[in-house]
Amino acid sequence: AQKVTQAQTEISVVEKEDVTLDCVYETRDTTYYLFWYKQPPSGELVFLIRRNSFDEQNEISGRYSWNFQKSTSSFNFTITASQVVDSAVYFCALSERWEGAQKLVFGQGTRLTINP
Amino acid sequence: GAGVSQSPSNKVTEKGKDVELRCDPISGHTALYWYRQSLGQGLEFLIYFQGNSAPDKSGLPSDRFSAERTGGSVSTLTIQRTQQEDSAVYLCASSPQRDSPQHFGDGTRLSIL
Repeated sequence: AQKVTQAQTEISVVEKEDVTLDCVYETRDTTYYLFWYKQPPSGELVFLIRRNSFDEQNEISGRYSWNFQKSTSSFNFTITASQVVDSAVYFCALSERWEGAQKLVFGQGTRLTINP
Repeated sequence: GAGVSQSPSNKVTEKGKDVELRCDPISGHTALYWYRQSLGQGLEFLIYFQGNSAPDKSGLPSDRFSAERTGGSVSTLTIQRTQQEDSAVYLCASSPQRDSPQHFGDGTRLSIL
């Protein structure tokens, strides 16, 4: 069965520190997608990134970067020079092919608090 | 453009009542998903629509839950004879195609007294 584990329930850092959110996944599929979503206090899940299982290149977008390693089944997310606006709950997710759709299997989330 | 819209944003109802939750997907998005977010279970997939069809409804937690989508647009999730364990945030998402990333609405917070 598909499973996503985010071992860090809560992380609290001071503004401008770098922080890494861990994500480990389990799947028997050879083709899958991995995602990160951000959930600010407003509640909406904001899409951040999707990676295809065949593409292990790391990705950088501004202060955000993602490290995908199939050998360790991990898809970690790093925020560089964190800001207070980064405070949110972050979810890692794995897509499971289901009736042709992309059913998302989510981790339990990591609550990130950036203190000024 | 407009995002996924859900209504109501909050709903409080008594145990045993029926409730309807509405989702307006992004215009042109053919795929629509319902998820539930609760303290005990985290984020769970409920059902998926491609157009007006739901290929499989086995993700729904019980036969008290049903969903429909009309005109390839608006979807309604109905919970009959609500129970306290139904209290959760119900999230709707849509995507342009079934393989595209999903875009979520703000959710409906449902509280069963």
